Amino acid sequence: KQEVTQIPAALSVPEGENLVLNCSFTDSAIYNLQWFRQDPGKGLTSLLLIQSSQREQTSGRLNASLDKSSGRSTLYIAASQPGDSATYLCAVFGANSKLTFGKGITLSVRP
Amino acid sequence: GAGVSQSPSNKVTEKGKDVELRCDPISGHTALYWYRQSLGQGLEFLIYFQGNSAPDKSGLPSDRFSAERTGGSVSTLTIQRTQQEDSAVYLCASSSPDRGFSNQPQHFGDGTRLSIL
Repeated sequence: KQEVTQIPAALSVPEGENLVLNCSFTDSAIYNLQWFRQDPGKGLTSLLLIQSSQREQTSGRLNASLDKSSGRSTLYIAASQPGDSATYLCAVFGANSKLTFGKGITLSVRP
Repeated sequence: GAGVSQSPSNKVTEKGKDVELRCDPISGHTALYWYRQSLGQGLEFLIYFQGNSAPDKSGLPSDRFSAERTGGSVSTLTIQRTQQEDSAVYLCASSSPDRGFSNQPQHFGDGTRLSIL
C-alpha cells in the first residue's frame, strides 16, 4: 500500500528565504508525482507535475525534483513571499489510478 | 466550464438524513475522482470514474456511500443515513487520461463542506 509522508507538518520562515519542502513515498511504481497548493477553505491548485521518467520541473519560483528510486521529492520555493503562505500537498499517482496524498505542510511566510 | 464545479459549496444537515453532492468536471475530461478531506485524516480517495463506469470503488467507506456518473459528465455522490463522522470536505477532480496517465494532472473543484449535526 502506497504511503506518502511530508515532514514537518508546519513551517514558518521570514520573507525572502529560499526553502525546501520534502515528500517521501514507499512504492516507486508511480506514473507521476504532483505538488498542490491549498488555501484555507479552497480546493487544490496543481503547481507542478513530474512524470515518472522526469527528474524535475520548474514553474517561476518553484522547482520540484523527483528521485523515484529512493522515493523522494522536494519542492523548492525561491525568494518566499507572504502570498506563498498555504498548505502544500504532495501526491503520487500510481497504477491503481488514484492519487495518494501526504498530509501536507502548512507554510507561513512572515513579512 | 473553465474549471471543476461542485455544489453545494456548504451543506449542513441532521444526522440520519440523505445528502447528494454534485460535481461538474472540466468539459472533455473522461476521468473523474471523488476524495474526502477530514480534519487530521488528510485527503483520502473514494471512487474513480472512467466515462460512466467506476473501475475502482474501493475507497467508499461504507454501503451508505454511492456515486454515479451520467453522460460521461456530471457525477453525484450520495450519502444515505448520514452520521457525524461523515462531516468532511468532499472534493472532486477531473483529468484527461486519454493522452496518457503520466502527464495529465488532476484538476480539483473547491469542494463541498458537509457538516452533520
